[in-house]
Amino acid sequence: AQSVTQLGSHVSVSEGALVLLRCNYSSSVPPYLFWYVQYPNQGLQLLLKYTSAATLVKGINGFEAEFKKSETSFHLTKPSAHMSDAAEYFCAVSESQGNLIFGKGTKLSVKP
Amino acid sequence: DAGVIQSPRHEVTEMGQEVTLRCKPISGHDYLFWYRQTMMRGLELLIYFNNNVPIDDSGMPEDRFSAKMPNASFSTLKIQPSEPRDSAVYFCASSLTRGTGELFFGEGSRLTVL
Repeated sequence: AQSVTQLGSHVSVSEGALVLLRCNYSSSVPPYLFWYVQYPNQGLQLLLKYTSAATLVKGINGFEAEFKKSETSFHLTKPSAHMSDAAEYFCAVSESQGNLIFGKGTKLSVKP
Repeated sequence: DAGVIQSPRHEVTEMGQEVTLRCKPISGHDYLFWYRQTMMRGLELLIYFNNNVPIDDSGMPEDRFSAKMPNASFSTLKIQPSEPRDSAVYFCASSLTRGTGELFFGEGSRLTVL
């Protein structure tokens, strides 16, 4: 069975600092991996996705994630945090004909 | 293009009452998903439809929950009777494909059962 583990339910960074949100997955087949972002009182929206092409995936708003098969990880990074990045971030995994399995989410706070 | 539209955005009701949540998916999307989000359990898939047909309802908590999709542009999630533990945000999402594609979420329906 597939699963996703997001390490850290809350992450706080200063504006301008590196953002690193951790995600580890478990899958018996080559996975499809996603990061979604949820702003307060809104639905989730796709940040980026990995579908077996390049291992370094670039998304919207300056975010990127690297697929590391050996570490079963798909961590999300952004070089410089902005106040507008404050939101909850969800990692998700799926198979080609499977449903998305979401992690518990990580709330990112950005301090001025 | 209009996104996924959900109504109501907020619903407060008393235990035992019937609740109906509504969803209009993005035109042309073949898949429709209902999720429930709570602090304790995170995002849970309740049910999904393909071409208006329910495919997997194994996530539906119990018989009090039912979902329908009478046509390609409308779906409902009904809870009857409602209980306080049903309080959550319910999201509808639609997509072109399953698994590899992007899910487009509505803004959610926040349900409070007193």
